[in-house]
Amino acid sequence: DQQVKQNSPSLSVQEGRISILNCDYTNSMFDYFLWYKKYPAEGPTFLISISSIKDKNEDGRFTVFLNKSAKHLSLHIVPSQPGDSAVYFCAASANTGNQFYFGTGTSLTVIP
Amino acid sequence: NAGVMQNPRHLVRRRGQEARLRCSPMKGHSHVYWYRQLPEEGLKFMVYLQKENIIDESGMPKERFSAEFPKEGPSILRIQQVVRGDSAAYFCASSQRRGSGTDTQYFGPGTRLTVL
Repeated sequence: DQQVKQNSPSLSVQEGRISILNCDYTNSMFDYFLWYKKYPAEGPTFLISISSIKDKNEDGRFTVFLNKSAKHLSLHIVPSQPGDSAVYFCAASANTGNQFYFGTGTSLTVIP
Repeated sequence: NAGVMQNPRHLVRRRGQEARLRCSPMKGHSHVYWYRQLPEEGLKFMVYLQKENIIDESGMPKERFSAEFPKEGPSILRIQQVVRGDSAAYFCASSQRRGSGTDTQYFGPGTRLTVL
C-alpha cells in the first residue's frame, strides 16, 4: 500500500535548466510534506518542506509546490547543477501519526 | 555539531546470527525512528521510540526484530536469526519533537546489512 508515489524513477536534465520532480499521495490526512536528497552510501538529507496550509515554499534554487485538490506536489530546481545529481525522495506525514511515508525516489542526473 | 550517528556502517552476518545496529540521535533530539530500505525501494518505517518507550512499532516485523532506546546510550535495532531477506540499508532518524506536523527528521548515514 504505497501512499506516496514517485512515478518517475529517473530524470535527466541539462545543467542550467529546470528540474521538476513529481510526487503524488493518496492519504487526505497528510498535512506535512518534505523532500529529501540522497547520495549513494549516505543517509537522506533534508532539503525542503511544506505545510498543507501553503501551496508554495521557496528556498534558494529549490521550490516545492503543493496542490492539495490533486494530492500532488512537485520540487523545482532551477538552475540545475551537476552537484544536484542524486536520488530525491518525497515524504509525507499526518499530524495524527508518528511516521513519514516515503516515495520510492527519483534519480536525477544533471548533465554538464 | 554532530548529526545522527550510526554504527557500524557495514555489517555482514551469516544466516542465523544476530545483528545489532546502533543509532545516536542528534544532540537535543529525544525522538528516534528506524527505517529500512530494500534494494530498488523507498524507505519503510519500522519503529518510533522515545527514551525508554516504544511509541509506534507498526512497521516492525512481528518476529526476530526488536528495538530499544534506553535512558542512557544509543538506540539499538536488534535482528535475531537473520535471513537473507534482512539484507538492506537501515536508517535511523531523529527529531526534536514527534516527527509529524511541522517537525523534521534528520537521518544518519545508515547501516548496510548483508546476510550471507
